Amino acid sequence: LAKTTQPISMDSYEGQEVNITCSHNNIATNDYITWYQQFPSQGPRFIIQGYKTKVTNEVASLFIPADRKSSTLSLPRVSLSDTAVYYCLVRYNFGNEKLTFGTGTRLTIIP
Amino acid sequence: GAVVSQHPSWVICKSGTSVKIECRSLDFQATTMFWYRQFPKQSLMLMATSNEGSKATYEQGVEKDKFLINHASLTLSTLTVTSAHPEDSSFYICSASIHNSPLHFGNGTRLTVT
Repeated sequence: LAKTTQPISMDSYEGQEVNITCSHNNIATNDYITWYQQFPSQGPRFIIQGYKTKVTNEVASLFIPADRKSSTLSLPRVSLSDTAVYYCLVRYNFGNEKLTFGTGTRLTIIP
Repeated sequence: GAVVSQHPSWVICKSGTSVKIECRSLDFQATTMFWYRQFPKQSLMLMATSNEGSKATYEQGVEKDKFLINHASLTLSTLTVTSAHPEDSSFYICSASIHNSPLHFGNGTRLTVT
């Protein structure tokens, strides 16, 4: 299982773009990169998933360089409601492989 | 999108009693479900992998006789905390796997053992 490393915490002001980088040096060829958001006392919520280059959806973008050893979650124009813990995970997408969570990044948005 | 429902959302029980937590996949069939435990300010810790029709696979350090998992159908897995003690108080979260798709998580169950 690929191990991930991300900053423990980050602060940002409302309205700014936030970029959270995750390193996954031993990612395997068939692994996908997935980001989850978790609010207190709730289960993790899927944000975005990608394999390479760039993926964008209505809430975030995911940038993955060619070597795939890291990825960056980009949250545009954050608001107070984006205060949460963000987890980066890698997983073999075509099977039922278990998912192991790292420490996550605790993002605090400042008014 | 796929929905995973967990019940109850919170439960308080007395020390020595058993508590059952249900995890259902509402609009899809899940051959595999995962059970996690999360203590305050900590990350999710995988407890076990639940496979439909077969025995669960437990992570190292998790007592299979204390945390009973049953996955009798493709839409339901249950976790029973037997003879609960205060140190079992935690946030328990299940997730379900669909082939070729991200994991979907339930909203968790807050267990408090008094």
